Amino acid sequence: GQQLNQSPQSMFIQEGEDVSMNCTSSSIFNTWLWYKQDPGEGPVLLIALYKAGELTSNGRLTAQFGITRKDSFLNISASIPSDVGIYFCAGPSNTGNQFYFGTGTSLTVIP
Amino acid sequence: DVKVTQSSRYLVKRTGEKVFLECVQDMDHENMFWYRQDPGLGLRLIYFSYDVKMKEKGDIPEGYSVSREKKERFSLILESASTNQTSMYLCASSFMGGQYGYTFGSGTRLTVV
Repeated sequence: GQQLNQSPQSMFIQEGEDVSMNCTSSSIFNTWLWYKQDPGEGPVLLIALYKAGELTSNGRLTAQFGITRKDSFLNISASIPSDVGIYFCAGPSNTGNQFYFGTGTSLTVIP
Repeated sequence: DVKVTQSSRYLVKRTGEKVFLECVQDMDHENMFWYRQDPGLGLRLIYFSYDVKMKEKGDIPEGYSVSREKKERFSLILESASTNQTSMYLCASSFMGGQYGYTFGSGTRLTVV
């Protein structure tokens, strides 16, 4: 299956700092999803993007659907300890029935 | 609250045992998936199913099989567990077309000794 390139692979930041991560694909997508996985749990959907150029927020999280349709970005403002986890991007197959996932960005927030 | 429920959070099995991992969803989703997650390797698709009694191989199906006898239940079977199958296993489901993405279960951490 297709693998999405997600960076950075890991981040160690101080509480209160802003975070940026991105995801790129060799294919054009019509949907981008961002998930968060808390330690020991399954991933949970944070934000869904359906249109090139779209900017969507969920609290302190903001995600953007790149205008080339081959990339997406996730920003977290004023990080807090509960932001710790692995963040995954995902894009759909041609049929839309299957999603391809990035390799994840592991976020550690230092109090 | 809609859910994907995996029957066990933690399992320890011996090499050579037949292992069943069960997943049940209550959202009337058509699609169901099994992934394994290993550090540095992300989420790798093992098998998926778009309908009852239907299955498709994912990227790493070797050593695994699946069963979907009812729409809400998708089982992953390790025919003869090996130590390299020690991993976190995640079940997910979605509507046909997948527009709203997957809903994941909480995962089963399997250790094969």
